[in-house]
Amino acid sequence: DSGVTQTPKHLITATGQRVTLRCSPRSGDLSVYWYQQSLDQGLQFLIQYYNGEERAKGNILERFSAQQFPDLHSELNLSSLELGDSALYFCASSETGGVQYFGPGTRLTVL
Amino acid sequence: GDSVTQMEGPVTLSEEAFLTINCTYTATGYPSLFWYVQYPGEGLQLLLKATKADDKGSNKGFEATYRKETTSFHLEKGSVQVSDSAVYFCALNKNNFNKFYFGSGTKLNVKP
Repeated sequence: DSGVTQTPKHLITATGQRVTLRCSPRSGDLSVYWYQQSLDQGLQFLIQYYNGEERAKGNILERFSAQQFPDLHSELNLSSLELGDSALYFCASSETGGVQYFGPGTRLTVL
Repeated sequence: GDSVTQMEGPVTLSEEAFLTINCTYTATGYPSLFWYVQYPGEGLQLLLKATKADDKGSNKGFEATYRKETTSFHLEKGSVQVSDSAVYFCALNKNNFNKFYFGSGTKLNVKP
């Protein structure tokens, strides 16, 4: 158990819909990262937050957004969903300069 | 910019064979280097790490040495098991910015 929790574990929705994925980092970790992993692709970095502020952006679509709240949990919002958004979405957290710890992931299926 | 390059997979080996998965990096400064493993249906787990040049990370029979002169961090194991079948990711962390860069992953299949 990495100490990073993600909900829900599975999510099935339809094209055009909007979903919210939630992540709680390890206790004390200020950095939260979001990644997308499609079936035949590696890990695509989406976005990083540090103590509530956006720190880095990767290949995140404009239809996607995220935020980190004062209690340090983070949410990833995916809107106008398309079939190609079906993937595993991982959250990770780290302390400054330290190891990145991954959650178990949310499997999103868009039908 | 900073990046990590690792060998393409899949790598298929017989049980007890020797494993090498190559990883090279491009980065300014002195990053920390990591190997993560992802077993089927699970998230990524830290396998080993090295924080400075010539450090050797090791865990569960896997080893990797931080070679600054060749900008490499190759993963090795002397005798693989079927249970080692997984996807392995090399990564680096630019400590001062806490930015992580991951390689594309190498899938390892170990046959009995």
